[in-house]
Amino acid sequence: IAGITQAPTSQILAAGRRMTLRCTQDMRHNAMYWYRQDLGLGLRLIHYSNTAGTTGKGEVPDGYSVSRANTDDFPLTLASAVPSQTSVYFCASSELAGRHTGELFFGEGSRLTVL
Amino acid sequence: GQNIDQPTEMTATEGAIVQINCTYQTSGFNGLFWYQQHAGEAPTFLSYNVLDGLEEKGRFSSFLSRSKGYSYLLLKELQMKDSASYLCAVTDSNYQLIWGAGTKLIIKP
Repeated sequence: IAGITQAPTSQILAAGRRMTLRCTQDMRHNAMYWYRQDLGLGLRLIHYSNTAGTTGKGEVPDGYSVSRANTDDFPLTLASAVPSQTSVYFCASSELAGRHTGELFFGEGSRLTVL
Repeated sequence: GQNIDQPTEMTATEGAIVQINCTYQTSGFNGLFWYQQHAGEAPTFLSYNVLDGLEEKGRFSSFLSRSKGYSYLLLKELQMKDSASYLCAVTDSNYQLIWGAGTKLIIKP
C-alpha cells in the first residue's frame, strides 16, 4: 500500500543517547514534515523539507536535525535525547511544497519515551 | 499570537448529530482543514475550506465563515467508529499550518 512508513513504531531511550527516526514515502511528494504531538497541544512542526536537498526549521527545532538526501527519505535525529522529547512523532508529506493548500499524508507515528 | 480554539471533549449518542466548533485568530488566512485521528493512529484528511459556506461530503459537512474566524464540522448519523479526535488546522498568510489541540469525540450507544 502506497504511503508513508515510519520506524520504529515505539522506542524507549535513555537520556543522552542518539536516536534516528526513519521516514520513507513512495508517493513522490515534494514536501515532507516532522511533527510532534503531545497531550493537550496541537501538532507542532519540528522540521520540514520542500524538496530533496533542502530543509527548514519549524516551530520547535531545537534538539533535532533532519536531512533530505533524496525524495523518498526524511530521517529525524535526536543527537542527545532529553526527557522533554518524550512524544509521538509523525512524519507527513504533501504534493505541494511551501503552500499548505492540499492534503497532508501522515505516517503511523513513532512513540518515543526518553527516560 | 496565532490561536486555534476547539472544545477539548464532546459526547454524543449513536445515530445523532454533533457539531464541533473551531475558532481561529491567525495572521491571514489561506484555508482551513479538518482531520480525523483515531486513538493511536495517524491523522487523516476530512475536509478543506477556503471560501465561506458549507461543504458536504457524505455524513460529514464543514462550514466556514472567514469574517467570524469560525468553522464547524458537522457529523450526521453518528456511528461508533466516529469516536476519534477531530483536528482543526488553519493555513496562515505565510502558508504555515497552525493546528488546534483537537476535540475528542466520544460516541455512546
